[in-house]
Amino acid sequence: DAGVIQSPRHEVTEMGQEVTLRCKPISGHDYLFWYRQTMMRGLELLIYFNNNVPIDDSGMPEDRFSAKMPNASFSTLKIQPSEPRDSAVYFCASSLAGQSYEQYFGPGTRLTVT
Amino acid sequence: GQQVMQIPQYQHVQEGEDFTTYCNSSTTLSNIQWYKQRPGGHPVFLIQLVKSGEVKKQKRLTFQFGEAKKNSSLHITATQTTDVGTYFCAGTGNTPLVFGKGTRLSVIA
Repeated sequence: DAGVIQSPRHEVTEMGQEVTLRCKPISGHDYLFWYRQTMMRGLELLIYFNNNVPIDDSGMPEDRFSAKMPNASFSTLKIQPSEPRDSAVYFCASSLAGQSYEQYFGPGTRLTVT
Repeated sequence: GQQVMQIPQYQHVQEGEDFTTYCNSSTTLSNIQWYKQRPGGHPVFLIQLVKSGEVKKQKRLTFQFGEAKKNSSLHITATQTTDVGTYFCAGTGNTPLVFGKGTRLSVIA
């Protein structure tokens, strides 16, 4: 298996632009997680899905952030409009059966908003 | 909400010295996981502890879960340059995994 795939690996955009991050989880995994990592705040859970259904989005910073999972093999995290404080590394992770199971992380997307 | 605190934040050691990082939760945990993130990389799962007082070993790494299931530690014996990275604990109780902020380990050759 190729592991969790994320694209793009790097994104540089100007403030106010829309940003879409993409994730393909490991085939057969039921859970998908989106994290944001910064030096100041560490690794923060933004939202997670179980069987394509959003379960907990309490970590999503504000209405500018939205996430979808239209099918078992694809998820997106969208920021509209983007702001400089959104600059971070965004990780997608998947697991076989929930929070008690190990999570497999993708390589991350490094987002820079200027 | 549930919080997981990890200390120290940074640790610099000479190659061959031992290293320990500690993890404390504000609530009792169902299990605790440990991850390693190499510089520029992504977190990679190391191990999961489930039972009270559990101790597991992976070569030079020893993981412990406290009796009260609220704390954990990772000990590395005789560090090597390949051990460089950030070590995260992550606990779960009634919530999804909550990650500590990690301990960044530097190993001086």
